[in-house]
Amino acid sequence: DAGVTQSPTHLIKTRGQQVTLRCSPKSGHDTVSWYQQALGQGPQFIFQYYEEEERQRGNFPDRFSGHQFPNYSSELNVNALLLGDSALYLCASSSGLARYEQYFGPGTRLTVT
Amino acid sequence: GQNIDQPTEMTATEGAIVQINCTYQTSGFNGLFWYQQHAGEAPTFLSYNVLDGLEEKGRFSSFLSRSKGYSYLLLKELQMKDSASYLCAVKKAGTALIFGKGTTLSVSS
Repeated sequence: DAGVTQSPTHLIKTRGQQVTLRCSPKSGHDTVSWYQQALGQGPQFIFQYYEEEERQRGNFPDRFSGHQFPNYSSELNVNALLLGDSALYLCASSSGLARYEQYFGPGTRLTVT
Repeated sequence: GQNIDQPTEMTATEGAIVQINCTYQTSGFNGLFWYQQHAGEAPTFLSYNVLDGLEEKGRFSSFLSRSKGYSYLLLKELQMKDSASYLCAVKKAGTALIFGKGTTLSVSS
């Protein structure tokens, strides 16, 4: 049973560029949440997708957007990259909005230069 | 507002017991989680408390007092592999988790 998978593992981008990160949830899960984890900090909630719609959003600017596909996989897009966007981006999946346990993927390490 | 506080670093020796505290102030509460995160890896689920009291799971136990906004994670019979960051997180409405900054635990022999 495959867990949460994310791609790519690492990514280096330049300021001003755009990036797309991908996530496939654990088998049987239909809800995907995205988190940003800066070095030495705890993860910060970006947004959550369920039934292909954004259901909750954290305190992140509109440069951060996402999408969920019919197969429950999800993308995180970040436009006009800033140096401060350098972080580990974690995807977590769960089963439905009411389930409490979230399973995290290995993350994508984004470096903006 | 919301605030989750936990110590930045702790050290302990193999075989010992360590308690990692977490205090929280959040608007809305729907459970408290503890996650373990080894360097460069994803957080892994350790425990979930929604009612007051102690939840025991093997070498790990977690306690919650909702009236005090307080939780702790107790790790017994420490092993070197327990060296990691321990994240306290509060669940609000929906499934979004609000994380603390994490406590880095170093276990020495």
